[in-house]
Amino acid sequence: EPEVTQTPSHQVTQMGQEVILRCVPISNHLYFYWYRQILGQKVEFLVSFYNNEISEKSEIFDDQFSVERPDGSNFTLKIRSTKLEDSAMYFCASSEETGGTGELFFGEGSRLTVL
Amino acid sequence: AQKVTQAQTEISVVEKEDVTLDCVYETRDTTYYLFWYKQPPSGELVFLIRRNSFDEQNEISGRYSWNFQKSTSSFNFTITASQVVDSAVYFCALSVFSGSARQLTFGSGTQLTVLP
Repeated sequence: EPEVTQTPSHQVTQMGQEVILRCVPISNHLYFYWYRQILGQKVEFLVSFYNNEISEKSEIFDDQFSVERPDGSNFTLKIRSTKLEDSAMYFCASSEETGGTGELFFGEGSRLTVL
Repeated sequence: AQKVTQAQTEISVVEKEDVTLDCVYETRDTTYYLFWYKQPPSGELVFLIRRNSFDEQNEISGRYSWNFQKSTSSFNFTITASQVVDSAVYFCALSVFSGSARQLTFGSGTQLTVLP
């Protein structure tokens, strides 16, 4: 069964460093998403991406965040200069619209720890 | 804006008991989907059930059942004969098409502990 894959599963970084989280969405999906979950809290929307551009972004998604689909298969989230409060689980998701079921298919998450 | 409320922060039951998790949602959209996800201690989000706004028929799937009532904007989820492996955080979520993409809004989650 097709699935969304994310790498790395866990990354530890120093404050101020750049981090890139990678995702491979399901191949025929057109919409891509990043969500964040700070430990013990709810899952929060960061950004959605369609047709090679950002569709919508939340207040969390400030200038230190960026997303890219560099090669037609990967979908990346970059955090330019990490802060302690960026420590969280980051979930990538994809969906098929146009007749889809409304479901977002989630990867297993990338846990980011900022020291 | 969409909102999902899970009033139960934590629930603890003894194995084999039935447990119902409550979810209340808010949206102005007439077309939407509702979901329940399970998040075990390992952290991944596991899809459990889905219901669209046009189908209020309640169903049972194995030990899972749900009660969708548009009149009260509720989408409650019941686990029958709970097992220790059901211990996890359960999230209710609402999906609408916002702008040019789908927007999924999660509730704050209910921590379910099933005791042996």
